[in-house]
Amino acid sequence: NAGVTQTPKFRILKIGQSMTLQCAQDMNHNYMYWYRQDPGMGLKLIYYSVGAGITDKGEVPNGYNVSRSTTEDFPLRLELAAPSQTSVYFCASSPRLLQETQYFGPGTRLLVL
Amino acid sequence: GEDVEQSLFLSVREGDSSVINCTYTDSSSTYLYWYKQEPGAGLQLLTYIFSNMDMKQDQRLTVLLNKKDKHLSLRIADTQTGDSAIYFCAEDNAGNMLTFGGGTRLMVKP
Repeated sequence: NAGVTQTPKFRILKIGQSMTLQCAQDMNHNYMYWYRQDPGMGLKLIYYSVGAGITDKGEVPNGYNVSRSTTEDFPLRLELAAPSQTSVYFCASSPRLLQETQYFGPGTRLLVL
Repeated sequence: GEDVEQSLFLSVREGDSSVINCTYTDSSSTYLYWYKQEPGAGLQLLTYIFSNMDMKQDQRLTVLLNKKDKHLSLRIADTQTGDSAIYFCAEDNAGNMLTFGGGTRLMVKP
């Protein structure tokens, strides 16, 4: 199994540009999550999904959108990039409830200039 | 608020024990977690403890939970250079969200 994969590894965006961060998992997990990690800070939950077709907001959803058309994929969309969205983005998945092990992807480093 | 607090930095010598501390705020948390993050990598779950336990041991790792003081600690016995990483504690709240501390950077000197 590849586990949780994320693309791209690194991206530079101009203010106002849009992009989609890709996340895929091959473990047939129902739960998937998107976090951002700012320097020196813990992770903050952006959005999560409990299954295909179901998504919900986390702690910091503003400026982002997600979709979950399949169990495997959980893309994160930035429509109008802002410097405040400069961060490292981690995708994670877990088999069932939060209390199960969350498996993290390697992260996408995003710089908005 | 939902603050989970950790000290920023810990330095130990190889072979010594490391103790990383964390305070949390949500007394209704069901589970508390310790994650490890190596440079350029995502977080890896090290261990977790159910809130009705006060201790959990897993090989070189010992987790202590003091619910009264909302204090969680992670002890790593016989710390190795490969243990150098950032360690995050986290609590679950609102059923589906984790709140993370800011992380403690552990440096192990040979």
